[in-house]
Amino acid sequence: EAGVAQSPRYKIIEKRQSVAFWCNPISGHATLYWYQQILGQGPKLLIQFQNNGVVDDSQLPKDRFSAERLKGVDSTLKIQPAKLEDSAVYLCASSWGKGPYNEQFFGPGTRLTVL
Amino acid sequence: DAKTTQPTSMDCAEGRAANLPCNHSTISGNEYVYWYRQIHSQGPQYIIHGLKNNETNEMASLIITEDRKSSTLILPHATLRDTAVYYCIVREDKIIFGKGTRLHILP
Repeated sequence: EAGVAQSPRYKIIEKRQSVAFWCNPISGHATLYWYQQILGQGPKLLIQFQNNGVVDDSQLPKDRFSAERLKGVDSTLKIQPAKLEDSAVYLCASSWGKGPYNEQFFGPGTRLTVL
Repeated sequence: DAKTTQPTSMDCAEGRAANLPCNHSTISGNEYVYWYRQIHSQGPQYIIHGLKNNETNEMASLIITEDRKSSTLILPHATLRDTAVYYCIVREDKIIFGKGTRLHILP
């Protein structure tokens, strides 16, 4: 079974630039998550999709971050404009259902460096 | 916010059992205990979860106290590949990661 795919794996940009990350979840998984992990901390949930609808985006900085999951499969996370504090690993995960008892499968992440 | 307390780091000798404690004194009746781990430069990986009873799978065992205020994750025969950050999570609605326990397996 193929895992969660993410690209790019690494990205370096200057502050105020824009960046986008892509995620392809495990086939058949209805729920997709984006997490931000700052060095030394646990992952923080940014947004959760159930199919193509948003379930939870309470931690998403909506003034600069946006995410979409068109057709309920792939998803993109965008930052515009980036700030220095956005330097982090951005993790995508997917699961069959939306409750926490559904095991989440994580991708390898995208490491973003904002200079 | 995370509702669990874990030691910042622990050491365990290779081949021995690694026992990782977690305190969750404010756990409510519907909340499960989940464990994930994160190996360096990888995404987190699910290990096990439980509600009241002890649970075992191919990776680990989860021992939950009778009052459910604490639990222990047991890796029965730790190997160098078990070096990782281990997260104990208690929630009813979603997974929220704390800082976890950094487990070092010593050769």
